[in-house]
Amino acid sequence: DTGVSQDPRHKITKRGQNVTFRCDPISEHNRLYWYRQTLGQGPEFLTYFQNEAQLEKSRLLSDRFSAERPKGSFSTLEIQRTEQGDSAMYLCASSVSTPADEQYFGPGTRLTVT
Amino acid sequence: GIQVEQSPPDLILQEGANSTLRCNFSDSVNNLQWFHQNPWGQLINLFYIPSGTKQNGRLSATTVATERYSLLYISSSQTTDSGVYFCAVDSTASKLTFGTGTRLQVTL
Repeated sequence: DTGVSQDPRHKITKRGQNVTFRCDPISEHNRLYWYRQTLGQGPEFLTYFQNEAQLEKSRLLSDRFSAERPKGSFSTLEIQRTEQGDSAMYLCASSVSTPADEQYFGPGTRLTVT
Repeated sequence: GIQVEQSPPDLILQEGANSTLRCNFSDSVNNLQWFHQNPWGQLINLFYIPSGTKQNGRLSATTVATERYSLLYISSSQTTDSGVYFCAVDSTASKLTFGTGTRLQVTL
């Protein structure tokens, strides 16, 4: 098993542009999570999926953010009309819900909005 | 929501020293994980430990769920142990809530 993968690893974009990130979870993990981490802070929860269903969204996930997991495998996170405050590391994690819901993280996508 | 506090915020050790990192949380939890974040930002799983004690090489962890705290012990520290250590808890069988971390620097 190769672990959770994320693409791209780095993204530089201009304010107002749209960006999309991809996450491939560990195979057979039914849960997939997105977190955001800013400098000097711990990761903060954004949203999670169980299979293809999006079960919870944080208040941090404004209407400019959308996430999908169409076939219950990989997931995409899109940010529309990016703002400088969106600059952060975006982390994806996956887990199996039973017997132990241990989350495993990908390497992250570092977004810089100029 | 649940609150997670980690101490100390910063720690500098000489190689070979031992240390104890603490995580306090404000509510009962289903899940507690310890992570090491390396300089490239990768979160590395250390322990899944909602209760009890576990050991893995030079690292061990203990969670006392009834008293709402967990401890991470690092023995005979090495320079490769440097980085940020996060405690993260889950009280709702879904998302993890992270503490602010302990930044560890191990010097020669």
